[in-house]
Amino acid sequence: DVKVTQSSRYLVKRTGEKVFLECVQDMDHENMFWYRQDPGLGLRLIYFSYDVKMKEKGDIPEGYSVSREKKERFSLILESASTNQTSMYLCASSPQADSPLHFGNGTRLTVT
Amino acid sequence: QKEVEQNSGPLSVPEGAIASLNCTYSDRGSQSFFWYRQYSGKSPELIMFIYSNGDKEDGRFTAQLNKASQYVSLLIRDSQPSDSATYLCAVNRYGNQGGKLIFGQGTELSVKP
Repeated sequence: DVKVTQSSRYLVKRTGEKVFLECVQDMDHENMFWYRQDPGLGLRLIYFSYDVKMKEKGDIPEGYSVSREKKERFSLILESASTNQTSMYLCASSPQADSPLHFGNGTRLTVT
Repeated sequence: QKEVEQNSGPLSVPEGAIASLNCTYSDRGSQSFFWYRQYSGKSPELIMFIYSNGDKEDGRFTAQLNKASQYVSLLIRDSQPSDSATYLCAVNRYGNQGGKLIFGQGTELSVKP
């Protein structure tokens, strides 16, 4: 079974802090994704990566950046956290473009 | 118009009934369609995927795709209380760098004993 591991289940940070959300997958998948999920808005794509050191903006990249130095690891970075970034963050991976996504357990981030 | 649209619900059905969940999408170039189930506080889990027009059955679940109408649906037969969850429709959007899944906002299903 594919395992996608997110480093934290719950995280509380202060406004202005730099925040790192880490995601690791163990199935050698090419593609990795970061989504955020908010009530009434569903899952929205922040960034994705189709190869090491490659990244593409999703639909809501503002205020975020990403890093993919190794194939198995995809990090989401909040350069200066704000309260409107309080959300559930979901990492996912897939082997190719038409494949289903495999999700991690999610990180619930609260910015105070 | 949203790229992927679902009725948010809640959709309430009695135990043993058929639950019908619907989804429309705007990109005619989409080729891959997915249904995920998400229990409260959990991450989405894949139920089914469908690539071709018509029906695809897996146990109590049937996915239906009509590309001409840009419509995909999920039928759950013999609904059980354990099916109560939010169901997410996802459609692949293709760009220069491969595909990415775009999700609808989800339909909340409640199955009453």
